[in-house]
Amino acid sequence: KAGVTQTPRYLIKTRGQQVTLSCSPISGHRSVSWYQQTPGQGLQFLFEYFSETQRNKGNFPGRFSGRQFSNSRSEMNVSTLELGDSALYLCASSKVTGQAIMNTEAFFGQGTRLTVV
Amino acid sequence: AQSVAQPEDQVNVAEGNPLTVKCTYSVSGNPYLFWYVQYPNRGLQFLLKYITGDNLVKGSYGFEAEFNKSQTSFHLKKPSALVSDSALYFCAVRDPGGATNKLIFGTGTLLAVQP
Repeated sequence: KAGVTQTPRYLIKTRGQQVTLSCSPISGHRSVSWYQQTPGQGLQFLFEYFSETQRNKGNFPGRFSGRQFSNSRSEMNVSTLELGDSALYLCASSKVTGQAIMNTEAFFGQGTRLTVV
Repeated sequence: AQSVAQPEDQVNVAEGNPLTVKCTYSVSGNPYLFWYVQYPNRGLQFLLKYITGDNLVKGSYGFEAEFNKSQTSFHLKKPSALVSDSALYFCAVRDPGGATNKLIFGTGTLLAVQP
């Protein structure tokens, strides 16, 4: 069974540009979450999608956005990149059924390493 | 607010010795707790979870964790450490605020196992 796939693995962008990251969840998983990992701030929740709807959003500026498609694949977009956006962006998927979400573990992809120069 | 604390930035242990990585939590309601491991330049791998039931939870790669409600702790343990266990370990709690998959992570503990 294939795991969570994130593309690309590495990206280098210039300040002011925008970037789109992609995540394909494990087959059958309908919940997709995104996290930002930096040495200073650790792992921070960006947002979660379920059935193409954003269900929760972390404390990030509006430059960070995302979406989910009908096949559960998800993309996140960061516009007007800043140096501080350099981070490892992790996507996680979960097999969610109703209230069982609370006890369901999340499976993470290998991440996209974004460097803003 | 829900939170998780990992009081040790780094834990050093000799191969073959038992290891403990500490985690304490603060949540309203029932805690749903998880441990993940991260190897360099990789994503997080799920190790184990506590939902309810037995306080001793067994997980992958010989790891186990002990849930202690009175001390609000969920320490990760392994009877005999391997050099290959050297990695970054994260404790996490599920945000109980509604039907959400949001995880709140601790700051991580770097485990170094010396041969």
